[in-house]
Amino acid sequence: GDSVTQTEGLVTLTEGLPVMLNCTYQTIYSNPFLFWYVQHLNESPRLLLKSFTDNKRTEHQGFHATLHKSSSSFHLQKSSAQLSDSALYYCALSASSSFSKLVFGQGTSLSVVP
Amino acid sequence: DPKIIQKPKYLVAVTGSEKILICEQYLGHNAMYWYRQSAKKPLEFMFSYSYQKLMDNQTASSRFQPQSSKKNHLDLQITALKPDDSATYFCASSQEMGRDWEDTQYFGPGTRLLVL
Repeated sequence: GDSVTQTEGLVTLTEGLPVMLNCTYQTIYSNPFLFWYVQHLNESPRLLLKSFTDNKRTEHQGFHATLHKSSSSFHLQKSSAQLSDSALYYCALSASSSFSKLVFGQGTSLSVVP
Repeated sequence: DPKIIQKPKYLVAVTGSEKILICEQYLGHNAMYWYRQSAKKPLEFMFSYSYQKLMDNQTASSRFQPQSSKKNHLDLQITALKPDDSATYFCASSQEMGRDWEDTQYFGPGTRLLVL
């Protein structure tokens, strides 16, 4: 079945340093949708980015990601981390004949410290 | 105003009991979903509905039964509750079933269930 693998566990960064959270996926379908959701403490997941197009950079709120089908990757990046970026980040995949579900990775907890 | 309402926000239940989690969306969406998030597992898809019809079921146990009485409602009935059912249950919705580029899934605030 479809699966998503993310940078494991907790990533701690100093404010101002670049952010890179890894995401790779597996699916038999050639045209998957890839998403990054962000979940702040005691909140629900909220869409941060999504992509469908191979090798096209997508950006939102200072974050960016590029879907690379050749390597089945969709890494999340930001040039300079802010304290407010501290949250749980999920990479997700939608790829099936009916696109009826999101398959989430295990989540990466990002902690930005002063 | 919240566009996806989940009730209750918190729920404590006794092992073996039955509970219903309520979800209502006011986004005019035609597809609705249930996901579960626990300490042991990340966000996990449970069910999807489109136009009040079950489209996908990834929940092995029949103790979990979705119920769609209205187009914008998708409740989740859980019977014979077990401590392992303790989790936050999120309802989500999208305009359609995700076949279109714009069909983003939006998540409700969740119901946090604790089974003792």
